[in-house]
Amino acid sequence: DTEVTQTPKHLVMGMTNKKSLKCEQHMGHRAMYWYKQKAKKPPELMFVYSYEKLSINESVPSRFSPECPNSSLLNLHLHALQPEDSALYLCASSQNSDEQYFGPGTRLTVT
Amino acid sequence: KNEVEQSPQNLTAQEGEFITINCSYSVGISALHWLQQHPGGGIVSLFMLSSGKKKHGRLIATINIQEKHSSLHITASHPRDSAVYICAVSRGGAQKLVFGQGTRLTINP
Repeated sequence: DTEVTQTPKHLVMGMTNKKSLKCEQHMGHRAMYWYKQKAKKPPELMFVYSYEKLSINESVPSRFSPECPNSSLLNLHLHALQPEDSALYLCASSQNSDEQYFGPGTRLTVT
Repeated sequence: KNEVEQSPQNLTAQEGEFITINCSYSVGISALHWLQQHPGGGIVSLFMLSSGKKKHGRLIATINIQEKHSSLHITASHPRDSAVYICAVSRGGAQKLVFGQGTRLTINP
């Protein structure tokens, strides 16, 4: 299995909602990533988990809260988002610093 | 100035043409990555290289470490190659990728 899966594919939420994005991989990768991508821009790194511990937080606002319950699963909890947070959220995984495998993304719209 | 620069930003070509996308970087790297993203879609890793040349089907990637430059070539281009191609570098074993701005490729039938 060489796939990173993400759910949901699309999400529309209000500014007062709480929602979660989910990412899963079964390649035995020990590093997992969250990226945010705005239209026609490259991805921006948000968080990196290495061996289930948060290793990089790129000064992301606290309304985004990552969680890594186990080595295969990565969540991104969303609360009190703003319309400018609307974007494609991509998850990726890698074996340490090797090639990253990306998921299909969750397209988030905040109304 | 961005640490990773790609050219051209946009490229339109006819089916069958030979395509070259360039990437220059200004920092020391441990590896360079070429990624492909179709409209509205996720990202696929095409190549990761730290020296020389790699080939996969109609795609070829080369890197010149001394000149801090890499090229992605597509032979016998096809409309399904239409996508954004992104160059990214990783540094010193770090997990963080530094991305170029991407090259939007359109192949017309």
